[in-house]
Amino acid sequence: AQKITQTQPGMFVQEKEAVTLDCTYDTSDPSYGLFWYKQPSSGEMIFLIYQGSYDQQNATEGRYSLNFQKARKSANLVISASQLGDSAMYFCAMREGSGYNKLIFGAGTRLAVHP
Amino acid sequence: EAGVAQSPRYKIIEKRQSVAFWCNPISGHATLYWYQQILGQGPKLLIQFQNNGVVDDSQLPKDRFSAERLKGVDSTLKIQPAKLEDSAVYLCASSLDRDYTDTQYFGPGTRLTVL
Repeated sequence: AQKITQTQPGMFVQEKEAVTLDCTYDTSDPSYGLFWYKQPSSGEMIFLIYQGSYDQQNATEGRYSLNFQKARKSANLVISASQLGDSAMYFCAMREGSGYNKLIFGAGTRLAVHP
Repeated sequence: EAGVAQSPRYKIIEKRQSVAFWCNPISGHATLYWYQQILGQGPKLLIQFQNNGVVDDSQLPKDRFSAERLKGVDSTLKIQPAKLEDSAVYLCASSLDRDYTDTQYFGPGTRLTVL
């Protein structure tokens, strides 16, 4: 069964520094997609970045990059040059290619950016 | 491009009352999802529609929850009667299709409090 694990309940980072949020996953399906979402206190889930299981290169979107290590089944989110507005909950999610294609979320990591 | 719209944003009801939530997906998105997010957890899929047909409702408590997507566009989620444990944020999301590479875009959510 598919599973997502985020082991960091909370993280702190100084403004302008980089931070890595950890995510490990488990699946037996060779086709899958990995997603990261940001959820500010307002509650909306904001899509940040996507990595496909067959992608050869790590995904990047502006200040966000995904450190994809397929053999280790990890998909860590790296935020460079942190800003105060980055303070939020961050969720890692996975969707398998077979079956109902259900999107499964991890428990999330709360990031606090300090000035 | 307009995002996913949801209403109401907040709702407070007494237990055993009924409540309904409305969702309008991004134009052209065939797949619509309803999630329940309990405080401190990641979202959990309740039901997935493809156009106006149900794809997956395996985690929908069908004795009290119902959902429909008439004409393959708007959707409503109803709870009748509500229980205390239904207090949560209800998120609606949509995607172009059901492929595992398709990104799901979320609405602002409805925060339900059951007293």
